[in-house]
Amino acid sequence: QKEVEQNSGPLSVPEGAIASLNCTYSDRGSQSFFWYRQYSGKSPELIMFIYSNGDKEDGRFTAQLNKASQYVSLLIRDSQPSDSATYLCAVNTGGGSYIPTFGRGTSLIVHP
Amino acid sequence: GAGVSQSPSNKVTEKGKDVELRCDPISGHTALYWYRQSLGQGLEFLIYFQGNSAPDKSGLPSDRFSAERTGGSVSTLTIQRTQQEDSAVYLCASSLTSGSTPDTQYFGPGTRLTVL
Repeated sequence: QKEVEQNSGPLSVPEGAIASLNCTYSDRGSQSFFWYRQYSGKSPELIMFIYSNGDKEDGRFTAQLNKASQYVSLLIRDSQPSDSATYLCAVNTGGGSYIPTFGRGTSLIVHP
Repeated sequence: GAGVSQSPSNKVTEKGKDVELRCDPISGHTALYWYRQSLGQGLEFLIYFQGNSAPDKSGLPSDRFSAERTGGSVSTLTIQRTQQEDSAVYLCASSLTSGSTPDTQYFGPGTRLTVL
């Protein structure tokens, strides 16, 4: 059974700090990895996706993928109170499967 | 362009009644997904459509749940004889899924279902 694990949190960081969100997955054949942000009462929205080992940067966000260790992380630099939300990790095995497995999400609180 | 739309945004029904939830995906998106999210929980996969066919119905919780998609576009999720445990937000997402690489899913605003 494919599993995606995230610490539910909440993760609390001060404004301006780096927030580090982690996700581990069980299926070694996983090929694509997504981070979604979900504000309370709203639907998920994509922040980043990553397919290759290493880092991928987009503005204040950096996704890090380590397939050997089966984890993917999201770093948020210069955290802002507006970043306070639940962050969902999603993993897809590819190979014709288009159904991602979602983690339960990590709640992030950025306090002023 | 227009995003994924869902209707109704809220639905309150009595136990035992049938409900229909509608999803209108982004134009041109071939894949459509239904998820359920209970309060404070993660996303629970229900069903996936590629075009009008549903290769994977494994997530449907019971035979009270069914879904269809017509014209490769609009999809309807039907819940018969609703139960209180069906109360949740039902989210629809669509994606291009062109080629072999899974594409980004774009979510609709959801339908909040409350079964009294």
